[in-house]
Amino acid sequence: QQQLQESGPGLVKPSETLSLTCTVSGGSISSRSYYWGWIRQPPGKGLEWIGSIHYSGSTYYNPSVKSGVTISVDTSKNQISLKLSSVTAADTAVYYCARVGTAMAWHYWGQGTLVTVSS
Amino acid sequence: QSVLTQPPSVSGAPGQRVIISCTGSSSNIGAGYDVHWYQQLPGTAPKLLIYGNTNRPSGVPDRFSGSKSGTSASLAITGLQAEDEADYYCQSYDSSLAALFGGGTKLTVL
Repeated sequence: QQQLQESGPGLVKPSETLSLTCTVSGGSISSRSYYWGWIRQPPGKGLEWIGSIHYSGSTYYNPSVKSGVTISVDTSKNQISLKLSSVTAADTAVYYCARVGTAMAWHYWGQGTLVTVSS
Repeated sequence: QSVLTQPPSVSGAPGQRVIISCTGSSSNIGAGYDVHWYQQLPGTAPKLLIYGNTNRPSGVPDRFSGSKSGTSASLAITGLQAEDEADYYCQSYDSSLAALFGGGTKLTVL
């Protein structure tokens, strides 16, 4: 049973870069052909997919999210990272790390981490 | 505005059956992409409820069932229980492998 744990600053200033890390335990992120991703949820609103990455490095991003999104993997640390540049208050959300499984559904989720964008 | 459309809310009394719809288009659900459903209890992360249109992960009661037809999908919950009160989201993909979520449906158990 894989476990995912997000970590990073809970407060980011406007125009700065939001950086989060997802640490995976219970198996290597490169042991199978899985896709990993980030999904966010603004307070009181629905889920929004940010992007996905295959351990090989192939990435897919939501065109509706600003262009300054970067998702990467560090297989040596068993981590997936998210960087979102030039953030605004609209980027305030709970950010979830998740893993795709059978039928490309998001089977595994982290507990989520709240990031507030405010000066 | 979500690409997948769900009713904002549904309600039902304990023991009753409710259905939550998810309407897409020929670019996503209608193109053959599977639909998945997630349950989000207050203050918690979403949990996979149905995958591949009709399949339940281990541990999900058979009171929950999914179906798909054309450009739409549905989640049915029978024998409603107070613990089912939560937000429910459908999810699918489009041809660019973008993950699409519905806007979510709040289920109230009366």
